[in-house]
Amino acid sequence: DAGITQSPRYKITETGRQVTLMCHQTWSHSYMFWYRQDLGHGLRLIYYSAAADITDKGEVSDGYVVSRSKTENFPLTLESATRSQTSVYFCASSESSPGDTQYFGPGTRLTVL
Amino acid sequence: DAKTTQPTSMDCAEGRAANLPCNHSTISGNEYVYWYRQIHSQGPQYIIHGLKNNETNEMASLIITEDRKSSTLILPHATLRDTAVYYCIVTRRGSTLGRLYFGRGTQLTVWP
Repeated sequence: DAGITQSPRYKITETGRQVTLMCHQTWSHSYMFWYRQDLGHGLRLIYYSAAADITDKGEVSDGYVVSRSKTENFPLTLESATRSQTSVYFCASSESSPGDTQYFGPGTRLTVL
Repeated sequence: DAKTTQPTSMDCAEGRAANLPCNHSTISGNEYVYWYRQIHSQGPQYIIHGLKNNETNEMASLIITEDRKSSTLILPHATLRDTAVYYCIVTRRGSTLGRLYFGRGTQLTVWP
């Protein structure tokens, strides 16, 4: 019963590099989400997906790209990483709507040098 | 979605009940109250939710006032492992327009 997993758990990269964070859930939940958490800002929604091939922006989507070719996977890509994207990233899923209970992964701590 | 107001921090002695308040005076009739917590460096964890009636599960109890403008999360016998940031969130359950907006939450510290 893996639930929701994220990889890598820690990542250090350099400015300008492309980075992909992975998220995988085993529940077949329809909705998946990406949040970032910074000191002083709490969790902020980056992108979400209602189903395979359906994605939409959250409140801080600039500089990020997502895809969802399979229901269980929701990768987040930083096309050209910047220092301001240093953060902890959390993936979450919910069964049938964004307002339903969301289940979170353990997070990925990303440092952009 | 309605906004919520929570105290910045609270503390509680181990073994005692922790009562965490939340104000949501602009809540709509179809909005639910959710509570999550985040233990340091971990992902947020769902605790409980409710619409009108009081709710209880193995983790906590949720008391919602009759006018639904405020609620209280009760951890009946707090332990050191309950030290965390607790978030009160109001959202439209079952709606594609529902969102979880995480504010600053309440830092609960349980001391021995």
